[in-house]
Amino acid sequence: AQKITQTQPGMFVQEKEAVTLDCTYDTSDPSYGLFWYKQPSSGEMIFLIYQGSYDQQNATEGRYSLNFQKARKSANLVISASQLGDSAMYFCAMRDQGGGTSYGKLTFGQGTILTVHP
Amino acid sequence: KAGVTQTPRYLIKTRGQQVTLSCSPISGHRSVSWYQQTPGQGLQFLFEYFSETQRNKGNFPGRFSGRQFSNSRSEMNVSTLELGDSALYLCASSFTRRHEQFFGPGTRLTVL
Repeated sequence: AQKITQTQPGMFVQEKEAVTLDCTYDTSDPSYGLFWYKQPSSGEMIFLIYQGSYDQQNATEGRYSLNFQKARKSANLVISASQLGDSAMYFCAMRDQGGGTSYGKLTFGQGTILTVHP
Repeated sequence: KAGVTQTPRYLIKTRGQQVTLSCSPISGHRSVSWYQQTPGQGLQFLFEYFSETQRNKGNFPGRFSGRQFSNSRSEMNVSTLELGDSALYLCASSFTRRHEQFFGPGTRLTVL
């Protein structure tokens, strides 16, 4: 079974500062994908970034980067130069990519509420 | 390209009724997944459809069912509604089962 743990219920950051949101995972699947989603108060889940378990380099998408440490089973999201519009709930998720029983299914963590202060 | 659309956006039902929610995926996407989000349980996987076949199912009772049509549109049905079924129901589509999933705005269901 897959499990995602996000230990920070809430985080605060000053505008224009960088912030790291923690995510650890557990899986027995040899091939898996890690995802980060943003959920504003409107409710819609917005895809941010993806990291494959066999990817050699950390994923980056604009101001978002994923600090992937496979041996430690962590996939932390780093947001650089925070903006007021970054205030939202952030979810880490994973999915088996190798065709096993969890293939096609996202398993989510409990989320971290990020508040950006002006 | 239009995003994932879900209808209706809001729904109020009473216990014992049944409800059908609809999801139209992004054009060209063949995989559709459904998730339930509640404050207590978080985001939980309901089921996934690809090429009109259910490929994966979460740990939900048989009252929850779904289907996918030949145009990849999907519906989920909840029969004999219970108070605990009140939730945000999110639909997500992806190009294949390996690609990232893009979510719709959700249907907020309230059961009274």
